Amino acid sequence: NAGVMQNPRHLVRRRGQEARLRCSPMKGHSHVYWYRQLPEEGLKFMVYLQKENIIDESGMPKERFSAEFPKEGPSILRIQQVVRGDSAAYFCASSGERDYGYTFGSGTRLTVV
Amino acid sequence: SQQGEEDPQALSIQEGENATMNCSYKTSINNLQWYRQNSGRGLVHLILIRSNEREKHSGRLRVTLDTSKKSSSLLITASRAADTASYFCATWQAGNMLTFGGGTRLMVKP
Repeated sequence: NAGVMQNPRHLVRRRGQEARLRCSPMKGHSHVYWYRQLPEEGLKFMVYLQKENIIDESGMPKERFSAEFPKEGPSILRIQQVVRGDSAAYFCASSGERDYGYTFGSGTRLTVV
Repeated sequence: SQQGEEDPQALSIQEGENATMNCSYKTSINNLQWYRQNSGRGLVHLILIRSNEREKHSGRLRVTLDTSKKSSSLLITASRAADTASYFCATWQAGNMLTFGGGTRLMVKP
């Protein structure tokens, strides 16, 4: 069981480009969560998805950010027209039950130059 | 402000000593969880305690929960240098996600 797989581990984008972050949940897990972490801070919730459904996107900025979890393939967090303030570590987590413990991926560190 | 707030923000101890971290939260919860994060890595789930539980043990970890005070503590006994990490509490409320605190950065000196 490979756990939660995120790629890429590091991503550098110029301002205005698009960033696409991928997350494959742990086998058997149907709940996927995306969090953002700034240096020396805690994790901020962005979005919660199940297969083909966005359940809660209350933590995601209304503009430029979108997420999906298609029937086949990984969950994708997409950031369009990136700005320097988007630089952060983005973590994906999955769980088998809604209110149980999460399994986290190693994160994608996005740097916008 | 965040649902869970850890205290202290940073803690430095010698190997072999015990480390205690506290977490306070604001609203009613279904469960509270503790996670560890090593520098540059993802979070690792340590322990979950439900709202109807008062204490839970896992190896060298002991977690307590006081719902009347809306607080929890994580005790690491006989600490090791390898315990150096950031520790986060997270609460599951009636919503759809875990809400994390700002973390306690623990340094264990050999």
